Amino acid sequence: QSAPTQPASVSGSPGQSITISCTGTSSDVGSHNLVSWYQQHPGKAPKLMIYEDIKRPSGVSNRFSGSKSGNTASLTISGLQAEDEADYYCCSYAGSNTWVFGGGTKLTVL
Amino acid sequence: EVQLVESGGGLVKPGGSLRLSCAASGFTFSNAWMSWVRQAPGKGLEWVGRIKSKTDGGTTEYTAPVKGRFSISRDDSKNTLYLQMNSLKTEDTAVYYCTTDGSSTGPGPFDIWGQGTMVTVSS
Repeated sequence: QSAPTQPASVSGSPGQSITISCTGTSSDVGSHNLVSWYQQHPGKAPKLMIYEDIKRPSGVSNRFSGSKSGNTASLTISGLQAEDEADYYCCSYAGSNTWVFGGGTKLTVL
Repeated sequence: EVQLVESGGGLVKPGGSLRLSCAASGFTFSNAWMSWVRQAPGKGLEWVGRIKSKTDGGTTEYTAPVKGRFSISRDDSKNTLYLQMNSLKTEDTAVYYCTTDGSSTGPGPFDIWGQGTMVTVSS
């Protein structure tokens, strides 16, 4: 299966909001409520930010939110802060007990 | 403290083998489904494979590029997950992470991650 498509990069100024899209197919993103989002700072392990499309783990700032429409999931970060600068990956269940990650998006806080 | 610690990475020649380990602590490992995720240098994340808990059948699934070459196993008595990698190729060069991947209540998400271990396949 092919990876869901994410923009290679997005940017925003402190205090602004940005949205990262994750476009898959009806076999992955569109067929299960199992899209998750991960934040990865350079040299660090990924960190879960959103799961089951819209749920936020305890301890994750409420500035992070998830949504989905059809075959496209989205991660929105409001009130951008310098520490949000990182790579972000979506991941979708792809059926048959397999997972597929998006290509990743580099977020730059200007 | 909930923790996953990988070990066993290193330099190996193409065609060689390597076994990675992932020691778990701070949670009930035997109930957890576990996955391996890798990241080639400068590239994105790639799911490698998963093993369910023994009570859920202990079955494994793999991504196509590693099927037939990689094997995931677990030793619940040692709270340890393994990734046996055979017939290694240069394109297997990556940081390998172990991560929790759900339980009997359903798959995912990947909520606990190890720090990763680097595998370099080169002659």
